[in-house]
Amino acid sequence: QKEVEQDPGPLSVPEGAIVSLNCTYSNSAFQYFMWYRQYSRKGPELLMYTYSSGNKEDGRFTAQVDKSSKYISLFIRDSQPSDSATYLCAMSVGGANSKLTFGKGITLSVRP
Amino acid sequence: EAQVTQNPRYLITVTGKKLTVTCSQNMNHEYMSWYRQDPGLGLRQIYYSMNVEVTDKGDVPEGYKVSRKEKRNFPLILESPSPNQTSLYFCASSISRDSLEAFFGQGTRLTVV
Repeated sequence: QKEVEQDPGPLSVPEGAIVSLNCTYSNSAFQYFMWYRQYSRKGPELLMYTYSSGNKEDGRFTAQVDKSSKYISLFIRDSQPSDSATYLCAMSVGGANSKLTFGKGITLSVRP
Repeated sequence: EAQVTQNPRYLITVTGKKLTVTCSQNMNHEYMSWYRQDPGLGLRQIYYSMNVEVTDKGDVPEGYKVSRKEKRNFPLILESPSPNQTSLYFCASSISRDSLEAFFGQGTRLTVV
């Protein structure tokens, strides 16, 4: 079992839809959970991060972590065509020698 | 502007011809790394460097070399490229290894024929 699993997609939704992107993980030591967004022909950029369980909201984006289920989600409300990108979850155990472990990414297309 | 710069952006080469992909960051970051991104496999770390003259293997280091002689530069070297190294390569930097935010370059699309 891979450490981080992400729905492969692709995902296509109409403008204004609520989007749910999900990742599961197997390493219970992960404490930091991130979402990176990657536009076509660009490198990934950090979108949001959370520590441990709970929710974090930033505008139309909400990141949710359920450590008991080893499941994280990114919700996008009122999706826009500009949200069309590949979304990668990433996780870290924290500490001086930890590193980012990425999911495979899911490509989202928001249709006008 | 804070950035990670990779060159070239696109490269087509032949099997066995040595090549170097350059990476430079202007943020005074200690930690730098190289990833390759392949469909269905996601981002996989090739090599990383925690500081000048300190480098170590990532998850898929076979066929690659790196060096870190200066803090800002972290070139990726393919001594004898093979077709299975055809991929999209990203250089990234961050303040430290455990930093949550990695800053990525624009990517280098490498094709080995």
